[in-house]
Formats: sequence, structure tokens, C-alpha cells
Amino acid sequence: AQTVTQSQPEMSVQEAETVTLSCTYDTSESDYYLFWYKQPPSRQMILVIRQEAYKQQNATENRFSVNFQKAAKSFSLKISDSQLGDAAMYFCAYRSASVQGGSEKLVFGKGTKLTVNP
Amino acid sequence: NAGVTQTPKFQVLKTGQSMTLQCAQDMNHNSMYWYRQDPGMGLRLIYYSASEGTTDKGEVPNGYNVSRLNKREFSLRLESAAPSQTSVYFCASSRRAGAVMDTQYFGPGTRLTVL
Repeated sequence: AQTVTQSQPEMSVQEAETVTLSCTYDTSESDYYLFWYKQPPSRQMILVIRQEAYKQQNATENRFSVNFQKAAKSFSLKISDSQLGDAAMYFCAYRSASVQGGSEKLVFGKGTKLTVNP
Repeated sequence: NAGVTQTPKFQVLKTGQSMTLQCAQDMNHNSMYWYRQDPGMGLRLIYYSASEGTTDKGEVPNGYNVSRLNKREFSLRLESAAPSQTSVYFCASSRRAGAVMDTQYFGPGTRLTVL
């Protein structure tokens, strides 16, 4: 079974600075998808960014980018020019691309709480 | 366009009581999901419905039942609530489970406490 590990329970960053959140995963599959979700205090789960494992190019969405290292099974999230509104729990998630691997479900890490200091 | 909506937002039950959590989506998605989130944990899949008329167990289905009422609605029922079911429950939907780059969109959650 696939597992997702976020080794940083909490992180903090100064407003306007850059922070990187770590995520590693364990899988024997070669084709899969990776996601970062943000959960602010409102509890709403919001998709931040997604990556296809077969793509070597790292995904980017405005101030959010990932560093995807397939061989190392690492998928870190970089937030540039941090804003107060970025404060939230961030969850890394994995989804298999095959039916046998459980392609219907997301496997989540335990999350990283990000604090943004003014 | 409300996305995924859930009712109620909060609920307190006594052990042994039953209740149904409601979920609806207006994105014309085929697939819907129920997750639970416990303190210090990521979300875990309870049940999902890949398409209207089908439901399947996820990682933690014990103690729950689901109904895919129509394409828009997917309900989660606790027949006899237990304190271990105290959690935050999230409903999600996606265009088609398992499809390439299928992305799940989440509702705001229901905080359930079982005394």
C-alpha cells in the first residue's frame, strides 16, 4: 500500500519570504499523480497544485511550485513571497494511476501547519 | 456555482443514535467520495461512488453506509454512532474516478461529536 509522509508537523515563515514544505511517498508504481491541498482554519480543502509522475517538468501555479524528484520519491512544495493568507495546514496526497493501485482514492499525509509571521 | 455542499456543519450525537450526513455537488461530476479526518491525521476514504448507481468501500468503511441518491447527491449514514466516529467528515467529487489527472474537489466538512 502507498504511504505519504510529511516530516514537518509545523513550519513558520516571515511574510514575503520563501518556504519549502517536504513530502515523501512510498510506492512501487511508476505512474501516479501527486497533489498539494491547503486547509485554512475554515476547514475547506483547497487544491493548490498537482503533478503527473510521467512529467519531468515541475508544476507551477503562480507563487506555488513543486520540486518533484521521482527517483527519490520526493514532492516538496515551495511557496514564494509568502502572504498572511497562506497560513494553513498543507496536505500532500498521492493517487495511483491504475485501477489495481486504487486509482479512485487519495492517500494523504498527516499535514504540515504553516504559520506566516508579519 | 456552489461546488460541493454539506449539511449539517456541526452535529452532536449520543452513543447509539443514528444520523445521515448530506452532500450535494453542482459540477456535473460523476464520482463522489466520503472521507474522515481525525486529529493529527490526513483524510481517509470511507466510501466512494464512481458513478451513479455504484458504491464501493474505501479504507475505513466499518460503521457506515452510503447512498448515491442521484448524480448530484451522496449521503453517509451512521446507524449506531460510537465515540470512535467523532471526526470531521468531508465529501468530495470529481469528474471521473481514476481518470487521467482526475481531481477531487472538497466540501466544507461536517464536525461530528459522539458523546
